Amino acid sequence: AQSVTQLDSHVSVSEGTPVLLRCNYSSSYSPSLFWYVQHPNKGLQLLLKYTSAATLVKGINGFEAEFKKSETSFHLTKPSAHMSDAAEYFCVVRYSGGYQKVTFGTGTKLQVIP
Amino acid sequence: DTGVSQDPRHKITKRGQNVTFRCDPISEHNRLYWYRQTLGQGPEFLTYFQNEAQLEKSRLLSNRFSAERPKGSFSTLEIQRTEQGDSAMYLCASSLAQAETQYFGPGTRLLVL
Repeated sequence: AQSVTQLDSHVSVSEGTPVLLRCNYSSSYSPSLFWYVQHPNKGLQLLLKYTSAATLVKGINGFEAEFKKSETSFHLTKPSAHMSDAAEYFCVVRYSGGYQKVTFGTGTKLQVIP
Repeated sequence: DTGVSQDPRHKITKRGQNVTFRCDPISEHNRLYWYRQTLGQGPEFLTYFQNEAQLEKSRLLSNRFSAERPKGSFSTLEIQRTEQGDSAMYLCASSLAQAETQYFGPGTRLLVL
């Protein structure tokens, strides 16, 4: 069975400081992993995805994530937070073969303090 | 705007009433997905279509829920005899076949009184 755990429900950072949003996954097969962002009253937007190519994945808006198989982690980082980054972030896992079902984490709300 | 659209954006209904939501995917996408998101939770998969065929359904999709995609383009999600526990955001997404990325619509927020 596949599952995904987002270790922090809320993260608060000061503007201009680094962001780290943690995600651990469990999957019986080689996973595909995604990070989505959800701003209030807006649809989910894909930030980046890992699909068994390079383990360090760069996404939009300066975000990146590193796939670490030994740690079953896919943490999202950004060197310098911007006020516009305040949103809810979801880590998502999907089997790489066959199933269309994806499993979302419970989300991490990022607060950026000016 | 050529993204995924959903209608209505908000729906308030009384318990026991039927409601129907519509999703228009990105035009060339042949896969369409429905999810439900409750407060404080991530979206949960409900069902998906490839063209007009409904290929997978979650256990969350009780017999009061039915989804259709009659011509392989737009889809409808109907909830019969709504219950207060059905209150949630209903999200639609679409993708190309064999593609990893799903593109999400803005959602329909349902409140059952």
